[in-house]
Amino acid sequence: DTQMTQSPSSLSASVGDRVTITCRASQDISNSLAWFQQKPGKAPKSLIYAASNLYSGVPSKFSGSGSGTDFTLTISSLQPEDFATYYCQQYKTYPFTFGPGTKVDIK
Amino acid sequence: EVQVVESGGHLVQPGGSLRLSCAVSGSTFSDHHMDWVRQAPGKGLEWVGRVRNKINSYTTEYAASVKGRFTVSRDDSKNSVWLQMSSLKSDDTAVYYCATSYPGSIFDNWGQGTLVTVSS
Repeated sequence: DTQMTQSPSSLSASVGDRVTITCRASQDISNSLAWFQQKPGKAPKSLIYAASNLYSGVPSKFSGSGSGTDFTLTISSLQPEDFATYYCQQYKTYPFTFGPGTKVDIK
Repeated sequence: EVQVVESGGHLVQPGGSLRLSCAVSGSTFSDHHMDWVRQAPGKGLEWVGRVRNKINSYTTEYAASVKGRFTVSRDDSKNSVWLQMSSLKSDDTAVYYCATSYPGSIFDNWGQGTLVTVSS
């Protein structure tokens, strides 16, 4: 199975900050990488697929990059609605696997 | 707008069975692969299984943790997908989400989730 790791596991940031989350795959997954946002008690929301493509309706403050084994999610200017947990996920090989999540909270 | 609605979550005893349903509207259901993802209380996301679209012969894939116990099926005429769960264990306690996946993408739309509790 392809193992996914994320760093940091949590971070504290202020409104307006630029935030970067890193995701690493245990083997080459090309660009088969997605990012999701989840708020407490809610279903995940899809942000990015194919490493850098925004899902319809996702604001451009979110961006993704990377290929192979190393990927990043960047939020250009953190807003109050962005405080949440973020997960990366690979869909190159079965079983699909998620990272453990990065919790972004208010400093 | 695509809507995904799960139902069927319940309290069930260990060793029991349960079937979850997922209804999709607002999209060309038959084009999509359909996935189930679960989240145990206070834990992260875990992919459970997939049923591919008609072009891909409705073939299925499963996580090792559920293979042989869970079955994903679909009926394109009803825009619906099901997750049949058997030999349930306490570790299967989770919110189960249904998601559509257009080929080349993943989890384009999510349902609100349905809670399955396995306990005596």
